[in-house]
Amino acid sequence: DQQVKQNSPSLSVQEGRISILNCDYTNSMFDYFLWYKKYPAEGPTFLISISSIKDKNEDGRFTVFLNKSAKHLSLHIVPSQPGDSAVYFCAAPNNREYGNKLVFGAGTILRVKS
Amino acid sequence: NAGVTQTPKFRVLKTGQSMTLLCAQDMNHEYMYWYRQDPGMGLRLIHYSVGEGTTAKGEVPDGYNVSRLKKQNFLLGLESAAPSQTSVYFCASSPKTEGGTPQHFGDGTRLSIL
Repeated sequence: DQQVKQNSPSLSVQEGRISILNCDYTNSMFDYFLWYKKYPAEGPTFLISISSIKDKNEDGRFTVFLNKSAKHLSLHIVPSQPGDSAVYFCAAPNNREYGNKLVFGAGTILRVKS
Repeated sequence: NAGVTQTPKFRVLKTGQSMTLLCAQDMNHEYMYWYRQDPGMGLRLIHYSVGEGTTAKGEVPDGYNVSRLKKQNFLLGLESAAPSQTSVYFCASSPKTEGGTPQHFGDGTRLSIL
């Protein structure tokens, strides 16, 4: 059962434009969502998170939106820069079980063209 | 400022060989995790630990064993390597807090089983 889904394997965007990465989930018990960014040959690094009691969280060029009724969240990057080219993972902690374990989506490869 | 360090970075094994992957963190985190990343599947949890001397199974534990004899170290063992265990392995750690606390990842170990 894939509880967190990223249905777009890849996205290509022109530098300076908006990048929108999408994530869907099935478990209504998730109370936080996190986005990680991963460059080749490196580990994932935390980017931004959102609590389920909020519908928006912003940090500089990065904004995450949460639509609980649709069980959908999205990461907006404005403006997109070539250095944003990476794999982006959506994740949620399975807090029904002890240990802050994360459930990850399959990831979306973002390519920002200059 | 090391964070999470994984050794080795690369390894090639023959089917049936054994090996141990080492993860070390210098952030005094209680929780530690081992994930594997395969193409199109995101990160899947193998085993995790909520404290020194404790371990627990994750989503895909078969064929792996772990030990956490010291708080800062988390070892992942393959007793008899199989081609299906060819993957990139990531270690992560986090403080003993729930509610979406980000995990910190190492840079991974790329393991090939021939």
